[in-house]
Amino acid sequence: DAKTTQPPSMDCAEGRAANLPCNHSTISGNEYVYWYRQIHSQGPQYIIHGLKNNETNEMASLIITEDRKSSTLILPHATLRDTAVYYCIVRVSQGGKLIFGQGTELSVKP
Amino acid sequence: EAGVAQSPRYKIIEKRQSVAFWCNPISGHATLYWYQQILGQGPKLLIQFQNNGVVDDSQLPKDRFSAERLKGVDSTLKIQPAKLEDSAVYLCASSLGELVSYEQYFGPGTRLTVT
Repeated sequence: DAKTTQPPSMDCAEGRAANLPCNHSTISGNEYVYWYRQIHSQGPQYIIHGLKNNETNEMASLIITEDRKSSTLILPHATLRDTAVYYCIVRVSQGGKLIFGQGTELSVKP
Repeated sequence: EAGVAQSPRYKIIEKRQSVAFWCNPISGHATLYWYQQILGQGPKLLIQFQNNGVVDDSQLPKDRFSAERLKGVDSTLKIQPAKLEDSAVYLCASSLGELVSYEQYFGPGTRLTVT
């Protein structure tokens, strides 16, 4: 599975968009980009995933560059409840392992 | 829908003692995972079951860790004997199936402290 690189921490003002970057320059053609988040003292929670097209759901949007070497998770209107560690994971379809890195610790401030 | 249940939530033991963790996955989920999360790190997969068979246990320290999933539903993870470096949160997750589900659903975890 390809490796991902994320900034260790980011801050965001409440109500503003949070844009979390992820580099995955060695991604293969059959690997998906997944995002999970982990709120303090809870288990990780699935957010979104994509292959090459941009994706949107009720939680977030995922923007994948055309060369697929990087992506951005967008939380359109961050709230204090979005404070968490966000993990970007590259995975072979549904059956591949989830290999978690260090993630990005997002702090949403009032 | 009920989530993944784990117990106990917290456990403190001395080194060389034994400990067991229990997990009840979401009803109908065929795939079950155990992860270890050391403070400040992301979760690391220890073992994956498909129904009651082991799919991947390559990261499980088999000299001290064991896991079973009898009848393909509940699962237990055991450590015997525990070491100081086993202090971590042990997370259980489940999914509909290895090849048919995008999401893994995680339980709240069991925080183990070995003194």
